[in-house]
Amino acid sequence: GALVYQYPRRTICKSGTSMRMECQAVGFQATSVAWYRQSPQKTFELIALSTVNSAIKYEQNFTQEKFPISHPNLSFSSMTVLNAYLEDRGLYLCGARRDRVDERLFFGHGTKLSVL
Amino acid sequence: SQWGEENLQALSIQEGEDVTMNCSYKTYTTVVQWYRQKSGKGPAQLILIRSNEREKRSGRLRATLDTSSQSSSLSITGTLATDTAVYFCATDAGTNAYKVIFGKGTHLHVLP
Repeated sequence: GALVYQYPRRTICKSGTSMRMECQAVGFQATSVAWYRQSPQKTFELIALSTVNSAIKYEQNFTQEKFPISHPNLSFSSMTVLNAYLEDRGLYLCGARRDRVDERLFFGHGTKLSVL
Repeated sequence: SQWGEENLQALSIQEGEDVTMNCSYKTYTTVVQWYRQKSGKGPAQLILIRSNEREKRSGRLRATLDTSSQSSSLSITGTLATDTAVYFCATDAGTNAYKVIFGKGTHLHVLP
């Protein structure tokens, strides 16, 4: 089956510091990875979409300078939250997709970021 | 925003009852997916319905899609306490099928 492991599950960082989260696809090759942030009210924001053979595309209000993403191969992606502040708190989720035909996104448990 | 304001709601029902959740969207989509997110976990896809389909069934689930009104529904028959979760509909951006945009979600609480 298709599984996605995301780690760490939760992290606490001091205001102004950075933290990195990783996403591993197991049992399939992820031709695209979407990074989301989910608020405590459960609202999703799409941060960026990384697709094989295409540049990483960031959504409005999110930048590479703040949320650099690496997608070096078809099973791994990482994202860093640089200079985290209170407004960056939330559950960060990576959704991995097999290919263009299968529209399903497979998610891990997410990384819950708290900022002190 | 892709979504109508009516998407956010909370429902509390008794086990065994049927339930229908709705969502509406503003821009064209080629598919509507419904996801379920249980507490402490990421979303998991339940069912997908394409723009050329009006209805799709999978076990106790039934999804409908009305492209003229840009709305979709997910029905669950004979709910179980384990159906307690947040349910989201999700659309693609039309022009970029890799992009998946989630709606606000419905909190469903099924009482045992």
